[in-house]
Amino acid sequence: AAGVIQSPRHLIKEKRETATLKCYPIPRHDTVYWYQQGPGQDPQFLISFYEKMQSDKGSIPDRFSAQQFSDYHSELNMSSLELGDSALYFCASSSAKGATYNSPLHFGNGTRLTVT
Amino acid sequence: AQTVTQSQPEMSVQEAETVTLSCTYDTSESDYYLFWYKQPPSRQMILVIRQEAYKQQNATENRFSVNFQKAAKSFSLKISDSQLGDAAMYFCAYRSRDDKIIFGKGTRLHILP
Repeated sequence: AAGVIQSPRHLIKEKRETATLKCYPIPRHDTVYWYQQGPGQDPQFLISFYEKMQSDKGSIPDRFSAQQFSDYHSELNMSSLELGDSALYFCASSSAKGATYNSPLHFGNGTRLTVT
Repeated sequence: AQTVTQSQPEMSVQEAETVTLSCTYDTSESDYYLFWYKQPPSRQMILVIRQEAYKQQNATENRFSVNFQKAAKSFSLKISDSQLGDAAMYFCAYRSRDDKIIFGKGTRLHILP
């Protein structure tokens, strides 16, 4: 079965650079979530999209932005990178917000971002 | 606001034994969903089991089962016949009707051969 695809798997950037992370949800999943997980930490919710519209916002810095495109893939754009942005970034998808909210989140393998 | 608490940062169990991981949550909602996710050293997040709050029957998936106590707001995970591959970080997660998903801090499970 198709899973959530994230790219790249690893990314190394320098301080003050920008990074773009991509997420391709499971087909027919219309909700995408972005999470940030620091070393030894639980996943922290950043932002979510339902049907290409932002549906919820968590602890996402103003330096970060995200969007969901017409093909439902999503991109997380990170600018003015800081050392503290080094983390594992997960994308997750699920189906039909509200209607079938028992649908669990299916996670991608994550993008490991290292800021030097 | 909803909260999820996993009071055991780490646990160890002998291979083939049974272990129970605790999770409590706080909510004013009556309808919600609960999940357990497993994160092995590969850091992949894998769904282990899910429970619907309106169902009284505890969910079971092979060696994994839950003890859902709605009144006590408790959602523990029992792993039977523990295997080396069960070693991982386990996260309890709460999903509300308005699609807020909250994770606990996690419990690191060690399997002793």
